[in-house]
Amino acid sequence: KNQVEQSPQSLIILEGKNCTLQCNYTVSPFSNLRWYKQDTGRGPVSLTIMTFSENTKSNGRYTATLDADTKQSSLHITASQLSDSASYICVVSAPSGGGADGLTFGKGTHLIIQP
Amino acid sequence: DSGVTQTPKHLITATGQRVTLRCSPRSGDLSVYWYQQSLDQGLQFLIQYYNGEERAKGNILERFSAQQFPDLHSELNLSSLELGDSALYFCASSVSGRFETQYFGPGTRLLVL
Repeated sequence: KNQVEQSPQSLIILEGKNCTLQCNYTVSPFSNLRWYKQDTGRGPVSLTIMTFSENTKSNGRYTATLDADTKQSSLHITASQLSDSASYICVVSAPSGGGADGLTFGKGTHLIIQP
Repeated sequence: DSGVTQTPKHLITATGQRVTLRCSPRSGDLSVYWYQQSLDQGLQFLIQYYNGEERAKGNILERFSAQQFPDLHSELNLSSLELGDSALYFCASSVSGRFETQYFGPGTRLLVL
């Protein structure tokens, strides 16, 4: 069964510090991996999307890395801001077909930035 | 603002009732997706429509149904509601398939009493 495991479940850091969130997956074969940011009570917003041939992708202070061999991805947040407080969701896509039933969602990491 | 609109924002109803949630996708997007998010669960994919046709089915209960209309807006119908159906329901849209970025709406918060 395809699974996406995220760690830690929750994380509290001080404003201005860096942090790294982890995503391990068992989805195989694999097409692409996405990171979403979800503010409390709002819809998720896409941060990055990477195919199996990409190792790293940045979006401002967010940098995602991917190791398709070990089936691991990380999301690094640099110089955190209070607005980074949110849940971060890892989503992995299998290549077959085109339907969303090929998506596997992680449960997310809840990040709190303290002033 | 993602460009995806959902109505209503909040809905309170009683067990056994039926409700309809509405979603308008971004202009030009042909695919619409429905997700359920409970407090202790991650996003659960329910169903996807592409240009009016059902494209993929996830963990959607038989009490739930959806459709996409010719103008591409979509409705999710929830019937015989139970307490456990209380959740946030999100609609998302993309140009065509799941390999693209999905744009999520603000969600409908359903409370079943």
